[in-house]
Amino acid sequence: DAGVIQSPRHEVTEMGQEVTLRCKPISGHNSLFWYRQTMMRGLELLIYFNNNVPIDDSGMPEDRFSAKMPNASFSTLKIQPSEPRDSAVYFCASRQTGYDGYTFGSGTRLTVV
Amino acid sequence: GESVGLHLPTLSVQEGDNSIINCAYSNSASDYFIWYKQESGKGPQFIIDIRSNMDKRQGQRVTVLLNKTVKHLSLQIAATQPGDSAVYFCAEQNSGYALNFGKGTSLLVTP
Repeated sequence: DAGVIQSPRHEVTEMGQEVTLRCKPISGHNSLFWYRQTMMRGLELLIYFNNNVPIDDSGMPEDRFSAKMPNASFSTLKIQPSEPRDSAVYFCASRQTGYDGYTFGSGTRLTVV
Repeated sequence: GESVGLHLPTLSVQEGDNSIINCAYSNSASDYFIWYKQESGKGPQFIIDIRSNMDKRQGQRVTVLLNKTVKHLSLQIAATQPGDSAVYFCAEQNSGYALNFGKGTSLLVTP
């Protein structure tokens, strides 16, 4: 089991550029989550998919953020245009059922300059 | 004024001692709780979970206690080791929804 796979591990981009973060959940897991971690705000839920359908995107900070899950094995989080305040570590996590712990990926450290 | 980062509570223990990390949760309807460990540069790692119909659960060297009356969760680590140094998060969930994470506690194990 390779776990939850995120790419890239690190991303440095200039303000205004589009950024796409990728996630491959664990096979057989029905739910996928995108979290953002910063020193100021800790771990924040951005969006939550169940069976590839977005359930709650109320944590997505602005319209600049969008997430998709075209199939059970892939999800993307896109920021367009990126801003310096988007700099954070973005985690993807998946779980099999509602009462399982999440398995987190290793995260993508995003720096917007 | 200047904004500051999140100052995590820090618990410092000596190697071999027992550690107790505490967490207050906010939602009285939460029915599932998890403790995660996060080492520097890594994603959070599942340690132990407990459902609201229990008040204690034990794992290998770890015990979670749940007090629903005062909405309090604790993680006990027996015989703490240097490898236990990390940030520990409690997380709560209501009815199979998404986990809501606390701010974390930094555990430092000294030799």
